[in-house]
Amino acid sequence: GESVGLHLPTLSVQEGDNSIINCAYSNSASDYFIWYKQESGKGPQFIIDIRSNMDKRQGQRVTVLLNKTVKHLSLQIAATQPGDSAVYFCAETPGTYKYIFGTGTRLKVLA
Amino acid sequence: KAGVTQTPRYLIKTRGQQVTLSCSPISGHRSVSWYQQTPGQGLQFLFEYFSETQRNKGNFPGRFSGRQFSNSRSEMNVSTLELGDSALYLCASRSNSDQETQYFGPGTRLLVL
Repeated sequence: GESVGLHLPTLSVQEGDNSIINCAYSNSASDYFIWYKQESGKGPQFIIDIRSNMDKRQGQRVTVLLNKTVKHLSLQIAATQPGDSAVYFCAETPGTYKYIFGTGTRLKVLA
Repeated sequence: KAGVTQTPRYLIKTRGQQVTLSCSPISGHRSVSWYQQTPGQGLQFLFEYFSETQRNKGNFPGRFSGRQFSNSRSEMNVSTLELGDSALYLCASRSNSDQETQYFGPGTRLLVL
């Protein structure tokens, strides 16, 4: 069936280093992708999105890369800070009104 | 603008009971979606409402139901609670487009004993 998956369930990085969180999606019809951040006790928070007609999009300290050839999405966080510690989800939209979320990657920032 | 709000934030019920959760979307947003989040299954889509009509539904049993009011506020109901219904229930809203970002509320944590 359709699925969105994450390769690394837990990622530990040193404060100040860059983080890369990966996501594989399975539906080639998906044309809109989103990254969310979820802190403990809170709902997912929108970070950045990208449409399928782009392969890169940058935000504040974050960059999303989309490789449609291999159906891969990544989130890069520059100069990772303690406040970046959270679970990160990718999501795809393979059809109208439909979102599929990945299982999430936990990012731990080490001081 | 105020964000998505959900009430109650925490709830404890016993097996067999029923529960109703409430969600108020961002002002102007007409679409409300509900998700169940558990450690084992992640975020799973329950259903989406738009203009008081359910327009998409996930693969959950009929014990899970919802509705939306004319002011876009939404409720979901779970009847005959089971232990496995213990989860974080998240509500998300977006304005109109099927490709606009969903904004999530803080969730209602339900514990079924």
